[in-house]
Amino acid sequence: DAKTTQPTSMDCAEGRAANLPCNHSTISGNEYVYWYRQIHSQGPQYIIHGLKNNETNEMASLIITEDRKSSTLILPHATLRDTAVYYCIVRPLNVNNAGNMLTFGGGTRLMVKP
Amino acid sequence: EAGVAQSPRYKIIEKRQSVAFWCNPISGHATLYWYQQILGQGPKLLIQFQNNGVVDDSQLPKDRFSAERLKGVDSTLKIQPAKLEDSAVYLCASSLGRAGEAFFGQGTRLTVV
Repeated sequence: DAKTTQPTSMDCAEGRAANLPCNHSTISGNEYVYWYRQIHSQGPQYIIHGLKNNETNEMASLIITEDRKSSTLILPHATLRDTAVYYCIVRPLNVNNAGNMLTFGGGTRLMVKP
Repeated sequence: EAGVAQSPRYKIIEKRQSVAFWCNPISGHATLYWYQQILGQGPKLLIQFQNNGVVDDSQLPKDRFSAERLKGVDSTLKIQPAKLEDSAVYLCASSLGRAGEAFFGQGTRLTVV
């Protein structure tokens, strides 16, 4: 079962920042926070991941609270092409452990509007 | 870099028939996953391979589903016999190792009538 809680849906105006929250209150010390998104009729696409420090790449920023019980994915300037389902996933990274697959929940359906 | 290739893109079969899906992962990726995504839900892992060995198949309905990854490259997922509830998108993903970023194919949409 997924160990994260996300809002079912969110709207965002084009050009504005989209802030997608995720709760993972039972996260363990060896678990990373991953974000994927899935555009309609496509497979999921990796966005970003982090352990405890904030992370930024060309797609997004990831803010993780100090207690690691929640995080926020930030798309700084949302475009219509960012309309998708966004999945927040906690994943252990013990490379010798078979239980490190990606376990998806229901995700947040982000609608970017003109 | 070529992505994960899957075929066919769409398949319609009658219940109790058999069907097979094919996946060609990104070159050099040792880990391969098959996921099932029912409409409106997130993907659910069916099976994970490391090279040609099975790492996790705990959620694979083994009475009707089977998967293999011969030579540690391409993989096939088979359903025999299909049920109406097997209607879903079947996604294949691959990564360099068990901890690596997973890259997904576009999926095969199966409709069982």
